[in-house]
Amino acid sequence: AQSVSQHNHHVILSEAASLELGCNYSYGGTVNLFWYVQYPGQHLQLLLKYFSGDPLVKGIKGFEAEFIKSKFSFNLRKPSVQWSDTAEYFCAVSILTGGGNKLTFGTGTQLKVEL
Amino acid sequence: KAGVTQTPRYLIKTRGQQVTLSCSPISGHRSVSWYQQTPGQGLQFLFEYFSETQRNKGNFPGRFSGRQFSNSRSEMNVSTLELGDSALYLCASSFTVSGSYNEQFFGPGTRLTVL
Repeated sequence: AQSVSQHNHHVILSEAASLELGCNYSYGGTVNLFWYVQYPGQHLQLLLKYFSGDPLVKGIKGFEAEFIKSKFSFNLRKPSVQWSDTAEYFCAVSILTGGGNKLTFGTGTQLKVEL
Repeated sequence: KAGVTQTPRYLIKTRGQQVTLSCSPISGHRSVSWYQQTPGQGLQFLFEYFSETQRNKGNFPGRFSGRQFSNSRSEMNVSTLELGDSALYLCASSFTVSGSYNEQFFGPGTRLTVL
């Protein structure tokens, strides 16, 4: 079964600092990769997704992620964070085996951005 | 287009009772998935339905069940509630079941508290 690891559980940054959140998955086949964000009191929203093609994907609010197949990684980055980026971030994997829409999530990273 | 809606938003039940949660997917979406979110276990997949058929099931006891109706609306039921069932239950819908495009859209969740 596939699994997803997020290395950082809590991250505290100052505004304008750069962000990189790690995500590794364990599955040898074809995968779809996602980053979701959950702002305080709000529901899960999709930040960005990778299905195929260019391994560097850009999402909403200035976020981007790079898929490195050889490292089974899909790290999330943002050059300059804002206070409004305070939220919980989840990496997720969906495998393409005809098994339907099962997303396997990482444990999440709680990001706090201080003014 | 309206998003995924879930009712009720909050529920308080006592141990031993049963509960039914409802989810209406985005119009045109035929796949509905359910997830349980808790602070300790994170986001865990419960099951997924497509065209009124369960396509995937997570590792939850038989007390957790679901169904999907012909209009794609879905319900999940938890019988004989336990304290550990207290969680945020999330519903997600998507346009396809499998293939290269299976982005899921999440609803706001139902917060279940078991006393």
